[in-house]
Amino acid sequence: DAGITQSPRHKVTETGTPVTLRCHQTENHRYMYWYRQDPGHGLRLIHYSYGVKDTDKGEVSDGYSVSRSKTEDFLLTLESATSSQTSVYFCAISKMGLAGGVSTDTQYFGPGTRLTVL
Amino acid sequence: GENVEQHPSTLSVQEGDSAVIKCTYSDSASNYFPWYKQELGKGPQLIIDIRSNVGEKKDQRIAVTLNKTAKHFSLHITETQPEDSAVYFCAAIGASVLSGGYNKLIFGAGTRLAVHP
Repeated sequence: DAGITQSPRHKVTETGTPVTLRCHQTENHRYMYWYRQDPGHGLRLIHYSYGVKDTDKGEVSDGYSVSRSKTEDFLLTLESATSSQTSVYFCAISKMGLAGGVSTDTQYFGPGTRLTVL
Repeated sequence: GENVEQHPSTLSVQEGDSAVIKCTYSDSASNYFPWYKQELGKGPQLIIDIRSNVGEKKDQRIAVTLNKTAKHFSLHITETQPEDSAVYFCAAIGASVLSGGYNKLIFGAGTRLAVHP
């Protein structure tokens, strides 16, 4: 599991409330990612981080913010939760490297957080 | 933009048969293609990957092939077992470098494989 934990694993909240999901890694990897998974859409990138305090947007970042104050923790915040943000959220880390002359971005995923917004 | 299409969306086979899942990608500069297996209630797990300088890679009952000219790659599972039942995702990494040196990983929509005893 690449030393990745996510908390909480399940959460039910109401529309309009703020929600923060936490991703914790134990292996000191530089790159961390937040994805959401919805039926028919596969995995879509919300935000990613390439170092402490270094973050950038993914393809579905509206309504989400992130913070990374320590290498091991990457937080995802839903500023005002909406029903469209009901989803399963996965954190991932990558072990960036160069193999055989080709750059790789092997990503490893956490167990996920199931979020329901009522 | 970069896109990965995956087929079929569902696949049902008998135990012992082979299963093949196919993906096509749009960015001709893509150079890394991982496959993930996701069991119910768990996160995706990397099962095999292939790089653009290789045409085929095998790991026991799993193999992946890459055709760069046609821009497609496939996952082959032989002698399927009930524990192979899961959702499988293909992905492709683009050549464009984003903030922090990140190469975006684009996922297919997934294939639900059911292996019946």
